Amino acid sequence: AQTVTQSQPEMSVQEAETVTLSCTYDTSESDYYLFWYKQPPSRQMILVIRQEAYKQQNATENRFSVNFQKAAKSFSLKISDSQLGDAAMYFCAYWEERTYKYIFGTGTRLKVLA
Amino acid sequence: DSGVTQTPKHLITATGQRVTLRCSPRSGDLSVYWYQQSLDQGLQFLIQYYNGEERAKGNILERFSAQQFPDLHSELNLSSLELGDSALYFCASSVVDQAHSSYNEQFFGPGTRLTVL
Repeated sequence: AQTVTQSQPEMSVQEAETVTLSCTYDTSESDYYLFWYKQPPSRQMILVIRQEAYKQQNATENRFSVNFQKAAKSFSLKISDSQLGDAAMYFCAYWEERTYKYIFGTGTRLKVLA
Repeated sequence: DSGVTQTPKHLITATGQRVTLRCSPRSGDLSVYWYQQSLDQGLQFLIQYYNGEERAKGNILERFSAQQFPDLHSELNLSSLELGDSALYFCASSVVDQAHSSYNEQFFGPGTRLTVL
């Protein structure tokens, strides 16, 4: 069965510094997508970034970028120039075309220190 | 605002009762997903509907059921409620496109907070 693992329950970063959140997944599928979602204290789920498995180039969205290592089944999120507003729970998620199932990791709580 | 609406925002009920949570997807989105998020936990995928038909099933209890109507809104029915069913229930919608170039981003509603006393 497909699984998504986030091994860091909590991370801290100083404002303006860079932090990397880890995510690993397990699948035998070839067609899938990976996502990072942010959940601030408001509890609203917000898409941060997505990566198609067939694309070798790592996705980038402003200060957010991923390091997608398909062979290692790793999908980490790098946040550069961290801001206080980045403080939130971050969830890694996997979606596969064959079954349409979404699987979320358990989340990493990011604290940004002023 | 994601464009996905969920009602009610809050629901307080007693054990053994039955409740219905409602979700209206974004205009044009055919797929609806339901998730359960217990306190400080991740999201548990419950069920997905696509254009009125059940497409994928996750960790949904037999006491729970869902459906998607012709106008594409969806309802999640929770019955014989237990204390452990207290959680935030999210609905999300997406455009599920079989084409390889699709990205299937989910748009989440604000959630319904269910408290079972």
